[in-house]
Amino acid sequence: KAGVTQTPRYLIKTRGQQVTLSCSPISGHRSVSWYQQTPGQGLQFLFEYFSETQRNKGNFPGRFSGRQFSNSRSEMNVSTLELGDSALYLCASSSRGQSDTQYFGPGTRLTVL
Amino acid sequence: QQQVKQSPQSLIVQKGGISIINCAYENTAFDYFPWYQQFPGKGPALLIAIRPDVSEKKEGRFTISFNKSAKQFSLHIMDSQPGDSATYFCAASSKAGANNLFFGTGTRLTVIP
Repeated sequence: KAGVTQTPRYLIKTRGQQVTLSCSPISGHRSVSWYQQTPGQGLQFLFEYFSETQRNKGNFPGRFSGRQFSNSRSEMNVSTLELGDSALYLCASSSRGQSDTQYFGPGTRLTVL
Repeated sequence: QQQVKQSPQSLIVQKGGISIINCAYENTAFDYFPWYQQFPGKGPALLIAIRPDVSEKKEGRFTISFNKSAKQFSLHIMDSQPGDSATYFCAASSKAGANNLFFGTGTRLTVIP
C-alpha cells in the first residue's frame, strides 16, 4: 500500500497570504489528523477528520481550518499567514481513529516571510 | 502545559550499548502510548506502541516498559546502532480524544560507531 502523501512538500509564502495544504491518506483509512511541528513548540495537534466530519480540534486560532472529502483526502487551510506559522505541517492517517495507529506523511515545510 | 514529559533531551550512546528514553504523563485517561522515530526531513514513523493492560512490550531490539501506577513509560533500544541515530518522540492519547496524540518534546539520539 502506498503511504500517506502530502503536497506540496515545500512552500514559501508572505505574511497575510493564505495557503492550502493537501493530504492523501493510506487507502482505506478514514481518519486524517493534522499536526504542526516547530522547534519551539514541538508536535502539536491541529484537528482530526473522520468520514468528512471534524471530530476533534486542538488549541489553534480559527485561521487554521480543514476539511475532508468523500474519498478521505484532506486539506488544511491557513489564512492571514503570520511569521509564526512557519513550520512543518504533518498529516497522519489511521483506519478507525480513537487511539488507533497513526501513520504520518513526510510533511509540508511552510516558510512565511 | 506539557501533557507528556520526555527526557533526556539528547542522548549519546556507543554502538552496541543500550539507549533509554523516559516519559511521564498525568492524564489517567490516556490509554495508548506509541513511540515514534523521526529522521531529518521525514515524518515520524511508528516504532512500537503499548496499551496500559501490559507492563512490557518487545519488538526486536525495541522494548517499551510501562508503569501504570507511576504514570511513566520508557523506550529501551538494545544493541544500539548508528542507523538508530534519530529523534524519538513518545506520545499518548485517550479514546475520548480520538486521534489527538500528545507528544513529548523529543530525544535526539546519537549512536557513535
